[in-house]
Amino acid sequence: ETGVTQTPRHLVMGMTNKKSLKCEQHLGHNAMYWYKQSAKKPLELMFVYSLEERVENNSVPSRFSPECPNSSHLFLHLHTLQPEDSALYLCASSQEGGRQPQHFGDGTRLSIL
Amino acid sequence: AQKVTQAQTEISVVEKEDVTLDCVYETRDTTYYLFWYKQPPSGELVFLIRRNSFDEQNEISGRYSWNFQKSTSSFNFTITASQVVDSAVYFCALSEGGLTGGGNKLTFGTGTQLKVEL
Repeated sequence: ETGVTQTPRHLVMGMTNKKSLKCEQHLGHNAMYWYKQSAKKPLELMFVYSLEERVENNSVPSRFSPECPNSSHLFLHLHTLQPEDSALYLCASSQEGGRQPQHFGDGTRLSIL
Repeated sequence: AQKVTQAQTEISVVEKEDVTLDCVYETRDTTYYLFWYKQPPSGELVFLIRRNSFDEQNEISGRYSWNFQKSTSSFNFTITASQVVDSAVYFCALSEGGLTGGGNKLTFGTGTQLKVEL
């Protein structure tokens, strides 16, 4: 298995659906991240988990709910999303500490109808 | 607050040309780290290089080279003899040093789209 794996790669959902994005890392890292990447916008950090505890929530709407059951897995639960939530959602992992590079998955391309 | 500026939104070059991608950063930290990532059309951000704030040595890796200058707060990336496979979006990023227990928070620039044509 390669470093960081995200599923699904593509997701189309209606505004009333509930779905979850999954991220798994095989690098032995202890920090995981969710980012949102919209067209023409900088990468937006959504959530940070360090040692399985959430340490950052960048004013993300409650319709996005993260879960980190262990250091290798990270989920993003989606509920009642809006069209402006359509974007590429990227998961990353790293070791603790500012010098450590983050390693990214391929992302989930989410489209809200 | 930290900030990373990549003023070049899009660059188009012909194969075999050299190209330099600019990155200017702002931080009040004395210890910090700079990164470059490549994002091909497939979507994954690929880590290319990390540079420490206390190490201004330039680095060369094959056709890639990086020029770090603290005096101008710049960390520019040059691709020599560009190839079509270099076509991607390139991101410069900055993180604070020495943090523990809070993850590693990166501040990204807006990216530069590089198109290399035959």
